[in-house]
Amino acid sequence: EVQLLESGGGLVQPGGSLRLSCAASGFTFSTYAMFWVRLAPGRGLEWVSSISGTGGNTYYADSVKGRFTISRDNSKNTLYLQMNSLRAGDTAAYHCAKPHCGGGDCYRPPDNWGQGTLVTVSS
Amino acid sequence: QSALTQPASVSGSPGQSITISCTGTSSDVGSYNLVSWYQHHPGKAPKLIIFEGIKWPSGVSNRFSGSKSGNTASLTISGLQAEDEADYYCCSYAGSSTLVFGGGTKLTVL
Repeated sequence: EVQLLESGGGLVQPGGSLRLSCAASGFTFSTYAMFWVRLAPGRGLEWVSSISGTGGNTYYADSVKGRFTISRDNSKNTLYLQMNSLRAGDTAAYHCAKPHCGGGDCYRPPDNWGQGTLVTVSS
Repeated sequence: QSALTQPASVSGSPGQSITISCTGTSSDVGSYNLVSWYQHHPGKAPKLIIFEGIKWPSGVSNRFSGSKSGNTASLTISGLQAEDEADYYCCSYAGSSTLVFGGGTKLTVL
């Protein structure tokens, strides 16, 4: 059974930083690209970032480009999201998600999601 | 990276059918047969209910069905049940290893 468990969320002041983690199990982690997706209060889901299975290719939404960094440690089956220069608009539940295809460089919409970790940016 | 357009809310009585639309562009929904639909109860992980526009994952009821015409995908739920009350989101592959989501539709079962 695929399991994705996010952690690292919390309350942070504007301009601050947080690092989110996503522990994956139940599938061969290194052979799948991965996503971060967020759900903000009163807004819909928003794709944040993608990373290839090897970690060599990364992609970002314009809203976070230059501030967020996605990475992974395949030896630990863990996905990360380093978030810097946080803004109030980044307040959301952050979900990691696995694409509905393997091969490391496939980015079809997800089939499995974690429950999310809540990030609140406020002074 | 503009969001797909969904109605904010829909409602129906038990046993009825409802349809939720998801309108994108020729760069996302219209270009790929890679639209998925998710059911989301707040605080839980979103659940995949339709993929590739029309296919069911194992274990998902066939009361859920999907379709696509041009730049618009649709989700139909037939035989509404109280447990269907949730938020529903569409998602399309948008090229260049990116995804685009809809704004979400709140389904109320009257």
